[in-house]
Amino acid sequence: ETGVTQTPRHLVMGMTNKKSLKCEQHLGHNAMYWYKQSAKKPLELMFVYNFKEQTENNSVPSRFSPECPNSSHLFLHLHTLQPEDSALYLCASSQDPGGFETQYFGPGTRLLVL
Amino acid sequence: AQSVTQLGSHVSVSEGALVLLRCNYSSSVPPYLFWYVQYPNQGLQLLLKYTTGATLVKGINGFEAEFKKSETSFHLTKPSAHMSDAAEYFCAVSERDTGRRALTFGSGTRLQVQP
Repeated sequence: ETGVTQTPRHLVMGMTNKKSLKCEQHLGHNAMYWYKQSAKKPLELMFVYNFKEQTENNSVPSRFSPECPNSSHLFLHLHTLQPEDSALYLCASSQDPGGFETQYFGPGTRLLVL
Repeated sequence: AQSVTQLGSHVSVSEGALVLLRCNYSSSVPPYLFWYVQYPNQGLQLLLKYTTGATLVKGINGFEAEFKKSETSFHLTKPSAHMSDAAEYFCAVSERDTGRRALTFGSGTRLQVQP
């Protein structure tokens, strides 16, 4: 595997379900990110992790719970979601902290909440 | 707070024609500037970025962009469009003076290339 991988690629869940999204980067990077891409809205940053520590939470509702056990893996735990949470969830990584760093994106998980 | 404006949510060009996608940013301190491309069912891929130095930046697939401080712009161009360029293009910025790592994205421009 190379680059940034995300599983599953597609997910359908009910509002009472609990599910998790997984991201893995094979680039040796230290920073990882979750973004939300909704129809008709710009990509929104959700969380930033640097060396496993959360450094940014962009006012994300608590029904989204991130976890970063090591610099290579990032999870997004989902529970009691709303239909408006349906979107493409993108994971990204970058070598080091710093606004000039290139972020490398995974293919995303397309989530549908019924 | 930073904001990014991409003029035109859809742009259509003929194959072989010039591609021009517009991006303007709002901040008093010029940010780091990026263009990303997203092909269907894929994540985003970096086309090019401006951090410092020469204001004309060349990227992959024949794209280039020019940073113009006086116009707060970073427009993306390609002299001759190819069918494979059909995708969604995102301009993004990150703050230069705070070290905040997050990218702020524009709303995207979908490029169609007509045969």
